[in-house]
Amino acid sequence: QVQLVESGGGVVQPGRSLRLSCAASGFTFSIYGIHWVRQAPGKGLEWVAVIWHDGSNKYYADSVKGRFTISRDNSKNTVYLQMNSLTDEDTAIYYCARLKQLAFDLWGQGTLVTVSS
Amino acid sequence: QSALTQPASVSGSPGQSITISCTGTSSDVGAYDYVSWYQQHPGKAPKLMIYEVTNRPSGVPDRFSGSKSGNTASLTISRLQAEDEADYYCSSYRNSNTHIFGGGTKLTVL
Repeated sequence: QVQLVESGGGVVQPGRSLRLSCAASGFTFSIYGIHWVRQAPGKGLEWVAVIWHDGSNKYYADSVKGRFTISRDNSKNTVYLQMNSLTDEDTAIYYCARLKQLAFDLWGQGTLVTVSS
Repeated sequence: QSALTQPASVSGSPGQSITISCTGTSSDVGAYDYVSWYQQHPGKAPKLMIYEVTNRPSGVPDRFSGSKSGNTASLTISRLQAEDEADYYCSSYRNSNTHIFGGGTKLTVL
């Protein structure tokens, strides 16, 4: 079954860190760039970060640059998002998504991150 | 990195057509034919409806169509059905290998 499954969300205090995972199955993971997109409660979608298929390039939204790090392990078909120095503005559902023909054609179900003291 | 501009809401009756606009800049929508549209029902993940401005993925009804003129892209839904009621988001590739989304449009089927 072709799918992406996120995990690692939860409640975390401001200033702390959290690592999200995105596990892929059912397709050739190593040929696709993978993105993280987040959605704050009741708000719209916000693009967060991308890692190229081979991990050679990574790009971030200004809102997370310097705090978030995206990485991948193609041997495990998994992408990670390391989130440091979290603030309440990072509270959101985090989705990973596959990029095909410069559109997000496959999405995970999302994992909720709540930053709260 | 401001979001692409979409109307907050649109509405239409079953059988009618509606159009949702998505306005960007010469660095995103106007620069590339890489505009895509997503449908999101409450509590669900987004679903790709249109890619590369006008193309529909397999399985998306031909009632959904896309276009672009200058810095503005549009999604048209013809022959509205009750199940089309959802939030719709546009997205565009932009400079520096990043992407940007619109603020979202809530479609109400009356």
